[in-house]
Amino acid sequence: AQTVTQSQPEMSVQEAETVTLSCTYDTSESNYYLFWYKQPPSRQMILVIRQEAYKQQNATENRFSVNFQKAAKSFSLKISDSQLGDTAMYFCAFMIVETSGSRLTFGEGTQLTVNP
Amino acid sequence: DTAVSQTPKYLVTQMGNDKSIKCEQNLGHDTMYWYKQDSKKFLKIMFSYNNKELIINETVPNRFSPKSPDKAHLNLHINSLELGDSAVYFCASSLSVRDLTYEQYFGPGTRLTVT
Repeated sequence: AQTVTQSQPEMSVQEAETVTLSCTYDTSESNYYLFWYKQPPSRQMILVIRQEAYKQQNATENRFSVNFQKAAKSFSLKISDSQLGDTAMYFCAFMIVETSGSRLTFGEGTQLTVNP
Repeated sequence: DTAVSQTPKYLVTQMGNDKSIKCEQNLGHDTMYWYKQDSKKFLKIMFSYNNKELIINETVPNRFSPKSPDKAHLNLHINSLELGDSAVYFCASSLSVRDLTYEQYFGPGTRLTVT
């Protein structure tokens, strides 16, 4: 079974600064996908960034980037130039694709607060 | 032009009642899911359907019964509601294994409160 661990229940950062959220996972699979989802107070789950395990290059999406260390099973999210709208719960998620369908396994979440 | 919609968004009911949550997606996806988010914000998959066929069925009480009338709809019916069923229920959809992205799109969630 796959597990995802987010060791930081809460974090805060000043507006315009950079923050890194940690995520580790455990799996015996070699081909899988990793995601970061954002859940603002509106409750909507929003995909922030995606990483395919077979790709060595770290994914980036504007101010969001990841540090994917496959051997260490680590998948951290860096948010640059933090904005007030980044305040949300952030979930790291792991997915393998099986012939019976795919499922997301989520971490416990990190509540990020961006302070003005 | 909402991609994944759920109704209702809020549901307050008493113990012992039976209730349903509806989900519809207009993305042309063929796989749909139900996730439960508990009071500690932990998200866990409950069910997944592919082309109306049950694919994933996690350890969920028999009181929960998903139904997929077509591949664009996946409803969740809950019998004999208990206090512990209070949670936010998310519907999601994705393309099947043919889609290399495998991205799941989530609905807005339904907050169920059992009193």
